[in-house]
Amino acid sequence: DIVMTQSPDSLAVSLGERATINCKSSQSILYSSNNKNYLAWYQQKPGQPPKLLIYWASTRESGVSDRFSGSGSGTDFTLTISSLQAEDVAVYYCQQYYNTPFTFGPGTKVDIK
Amino acid sequence: QVQLVQSGVEVKKPGASVKVSCKASGYTFTSNGISWVRQAPGEGPEWMGWISAYNGKTNYVQKFQGRVTMTTDTSTRTAYMELRSLRSDDTAVYYCARDLGIEWELLGILDSWGQGTLVTVSS
Repeated sequence: DIVMTQSPDSLAVSLGERATINCKSSQSILYSSNNKNYLAWYQQKPGQPPKLLIYWASTRESGVSDRFSGSGSGTDFTLTISSLQAEDVAVYYCQQYYNTPFTFGPGTKVDIK
Repeated sequence: QVQLVQSGVEVKKPGASVKVSCKASGYTFTSNGISWVRQAPGEGPEWMGWISAYNGKTNYVQKFQGRVTMTTDTSTRTAYMELRSLRSDDTAVYYCARDLGIEWELLGILDSWGQGTLVTVSS
């Protein structure tokens, strides 16, 4: 199984500042035949299901704020929140869909400083 | 808009079975598969498997093989997940989620989620 790790475990950022979350996969999740990275990011607020933010590592889901952006390739990926807002307080998960079983990272908790 | 509505809270004893339902609306049910994901208290999500609503094809995680059955009823636009021989470590919130793969394609991008069903296993 592909193991997903995330760093940091948690971070506190001032309102309006940038938040950066890292995700690493235990093997490359870049499919060479289509040059796509099989990596998604989800946001989960307390008591709610995860919400899809980003897929193909950098494609923003319809309706998601452009404050959220994804980057990276191969085994190393980043989710950036460009200007943190109060409603962005949540746990963020990366997930690989390159191979079954699809696997999620352990999550990064984002809070306001 | 796409909506997935799940059945309610379940409390089960060890060794029992649970069957969770997931009723879909707002899209053509057979156009996409449904994944089931569980989340134990304080843990990250865990993908359990997928079923195509188009042809019933399934893909189960090996750790659940023999204990899980995923089905769909296209007449009622409902997906089901049954988990048998429940143990205390099966206590979790169980989610259904729509897969962006088309018809029989398992893609793994989960764009719409149900509200979750808490299953508690306790003697």
